[in-house]
Amino acid sequence: DTAVSQTPKYLVTQMGNDKSIKCEQNLGHDTMYWYKQDSKKFLKIMFSYNNKELIINETVPNRFSPKSPDKAHLNLHINSLELGDSAVYFCASSSLAGTSTDTQYFGPGTRLTVL
Amino acid sequence: QKEVEQDPGPLSVPEGAIVSLNCTYSNSAFQYFMWYRQYSRKGPELLMYTYSSGNKEDGRFTAQVDKSSKYISLFIRDSQPSDSATYLCAMSEGFGNEKLTFGTGTRLTIIP
Repeated sequence: DTAVSQTPKYLVTQMGNDKSIKCEQNLGHDTMYWYKQDSKKFLKIMFSYNNKELIINETVPNRFSPKSPDKAHLNLHINSLELGDSAVYFCASSSLAGTSTDTQYFGPGTRLTVL
Repeated sequence: QKEVEQDPGPLSVPEGAIVSLNCTYSNSAFQYFMWYRQYSRKGPELLMYTYSSGNKEDGRFTAQVDKSSKYISLFIRDSQPSDSATYLCAMSEGFGNEKLTFGTGTRLTIIP
């Protein structure tokens, strides 16, 4: 009964490869996010989707392309991977209902290592 | 300079001590303030949130916000080894789908 799940949990790949990370939430939320956490634990938002529409797009290289096939899923595709892409990527979700309980729930993270 | 600064650096305290974690910020538009706890190799989980200035208490945890000083704190009373984790402050201008801006995190170790 995991609320926000991500696959894979670990991803080790060579520079230049293309890879995808998948995220699913079963909370009925309408907004989903991708965050990147670097080696110093600094967590920074990358993208946000609401009902399959992109609403937040921070300054992220266009090698990163999010895709939301439906409001329960948000995938992240990364082209031409670079060493600096090594990090932990977290998916999160929240509701737009505007109540005080609309916090963001985070997935377990995907640890990406680029060699 | 980061929009949200968090101090102190790694912190180790004996079990039962009172812990104080702090963040300062520069964006006066921040209205919602949160503390997340992140255990090793896990995702962050919301511990407490506060709207605008004031205090909020939940069990052994107390969150304080002073918007005039752009300063927030989290106090943990009677600290337990299970409190050992990284604590992240986060802020947003609105709630719901607003982006969260995080502090750099404080790694806390409670020594039995």
